[in-house]
Amino acid sequence: DAKTTQPNSMESNEEEPVHLPCNHSTISGTDYIHWYRQLPSQGPEYVIHGLTSNVNNRMASLAIAEDRKSSTLILHRATLRDAAVYYCILRARYNQGGKLIFGQGTELSVKP
Amino acid sequence: ETGVTQSPTHLIKTRGQQVTLRCSSQSGHNTVSWYQQALGQGPQFIFQYYREEENGRGNFPPRFSGLQFPNYSSELNVNALELDDSALYLCASSLGRQNTDTQYFGPGTRLTVL
Repeated sequence: DAKTTQPNSMESNEEEPVHLPCNHSTISGTDYIHWYRQLPSQGPEYVIHGLTSNVNNRMASLAIAEDRKSSTLILHRATLRDAAVYYCILRARYNQGGKLIFGQGTELSVKP
Repeated sequence: ETGVTQSPTHLIKTRGQQVTLRCSSQSGHNTVSWYQQALGQGPQFIFQYYREEENGRGNFPPRFSGLQFPNYSSELNVNALELDDSALYLCASSLGRQNTDTQYFGPGTRLTVL
């Protein structure tokens, strides 16, 4: 399984944009890039995923480098509720099994 | 639509005992995955059940076992509890077992082994 590397922690101010980086230099051509986050005292929740093109949804945007060796999760206006651990996960497109392989993630703190 | 629920919320056991944790899937989901999350770590995959059959297992010993029922709810059983089994146990359901299927997590069961 391809590995991802994320910073251990990041800080942001409320209502400012946040860019959470993820390196995945060994990504294969058919791996999807998924992001989940885990709010305090809760189970992880899905944020967004993409393959090659940048993606937007109501929660965030995902910017994927042209060579796909890195990606960035963008929260356009951080709120206190966005304080969580963010996990960048690679999932093979065609292999069955469906497991999520979590790393350490990035702990995001948001200051008022 | 009801989300994924888990019971109990918290549990305290002693070393050597056995424990059963329960998970109710989100409506329409036929796949359940179980994860163990030690304090300060990311969740670790234990196993997955698809339509009542085990569909993949992580690096956990056989004393971790599971079941999925016809209504797609699931149980995680752990025998001969060890101190290191103290963790948050998370259940996640999904529409299918493909890697493109989003997993929806429950709030977890906090197990403490004394």
